[in-house]
Amino acid sequence: EPEVTQTPSHQVTQMGQEVILRCVPISNHLYFYWYRQILGQKVEFLVSFYNNEISEKSEIFDDQFSVERPDGSNFTLKIRSTKLEDSAMYFCASGWAGTVTYEQYFGPGTRLTVT
Amino acid sequence: AQRVTQPEKLLSVFKGAPVELKCNYSYSGSPELFWYVQYSRQRLQLLLRHISRESIKGFTADLNKGETSFHLKKPFAQEEDSAMYYCALRGGSNYKLTFGKGTLLTVNP
Repeated sequence: EPEVTQTPSHQVTQMGQEVILRCVPISNHLYFYWYRQILGQKVEFLVSFYNNEISEKSEIFDDQFSVERPDGSNFTLKIRSTKLEDSAMYFCASGWAGTVTYEQYFGPGTRLTVT
Repeated sequence: AQRVTQPEKLLSVFKGAPVELKCNYSYSGSPELFWYVQYSRQRLQLLLRHISRESIKGFTADLNKGETSFHLKKPFAQEEDSAMYYCALRGGSNYKLTFGKGTLLTVNP
């Protein structure tokens, strides 16, 4: 069964550094998402991406964040200048609206630690 | 605005006992509700969606619009049901999910 994959599984970076989190969505999916989960808190929506552009973003997704689908398979989340409070688990998800019962498939997550 | 509330952070039951994980939501439109499960060291997986009215691994959930609830139930819990359970709501045109804080279910032998 196809799965969403994410790399790396764990990223440690220093405050102020740029990080890029990578995701390979399921190949025939059209909608792509990033969520994050700060330790002990709920999973929060960051951004959705469809048809090569951002379709919706949360207030968390400020100018420090960007997303890109550089080729036909990867979907990346870039944080330009990381802050301590960016430390979290970041989940990529993909989905398609080809059926009535739309669902999102999640990757295993990347744990980002900012020191 | 859409909001999902899971009032119990932790729930512990014995094997064979009934289990109910509570979920309440707030949404002005017509919601689509889901239950996701995360077993230890695994990814979030879809367990149930209200629109399908299905039973998966013995779990069921009924959408009650009057009480704005979507509680997850299983009549006889098994040890392998131990996991983190998240209730989620889909609203709007872009399919983003709004999650509750999750309930950690522990089924004791």
